[in-house]
Amino acid sequence: SAVISQKPSRDICQRGTSLTIQCQVDSQVTMMFWYRQQPGQSLTLIATANQGSEATYESGFVIDKFPISRPNLTFSTLTVSNMSPEDSSIYLCSVQGAVAGELFFGEGSRLTVL
Amino acid sequence: KQEVTQIPAALSVPEGENLVLNCSFTDSAIYNLQWFRQDPGKGLTSLLLIQSSQREQTSGRLNASLDKSSGRSTLYIAASQPGDSATYLCAVTTSGTYKYIFGTGTRLKVLA
Repeated sequence: SAVISQKPSRDICQRGTSLTIQCQVDSQVTMMFWYRQQPGQSLTLIATANQGSEATYESGFVIDKFPISRPNLTFSTLTVSNMSPEDSSIYLCSVQGAVAGELFFGEGSRLTVL
Repeated sequence: KQEVTQIPAALSVPEGENLVLNCSFTDSAIYNLQWFRQDPGKGLTSLLLIQSSQREQTSGRLNASLDKSSGRSTLYIAASQPGDSATYLCAVTTSGTYKYIFGTGTRLKVLA
């Protein structure tokens, strides 16, 4: 298994500002994933963060809005830019185990935009 | 396109009852199916992983089964406890991709 730490755990932000969420893993992993969970909804994949290359974004998500960094094999950041109330969600970092492909999650970052 | 559905959306049972949660998927060419638990406002905790070659997995009071031909998985919880109250999510990867597609979740409440 993997231990994943996310910061901040929660934040309240003003419209138009940006917030960067950090994700730290206790072991080296090839791929890290960022998910969004809107209130009362299931999880939607935002992008896959690849070390040494640009992130791969899913349909409906763009780099200008959700820039991602992946400087090494244990760390990634997701920035939510120019926030609006519609961005209020839980943002979750996850990694996939090397052997069986099991998915592990951090505790999530709960973002409220006023 | 893979779609994952969970029924029921919400379930309330008395303590001690055995219960079954359902997960359906439209594309039977799955690679992994994983069950998660999510407490309110928290991240996801992995419960069980079933690989495509497996039919079921067990952990303590939990048993998950997989029937690829019918596009279904069930999570059986024995002797439910109030601490089992949470949202349960299933997720699948389709062969040839590493991406997990999540179901809509079942919100479980076990009454003391």
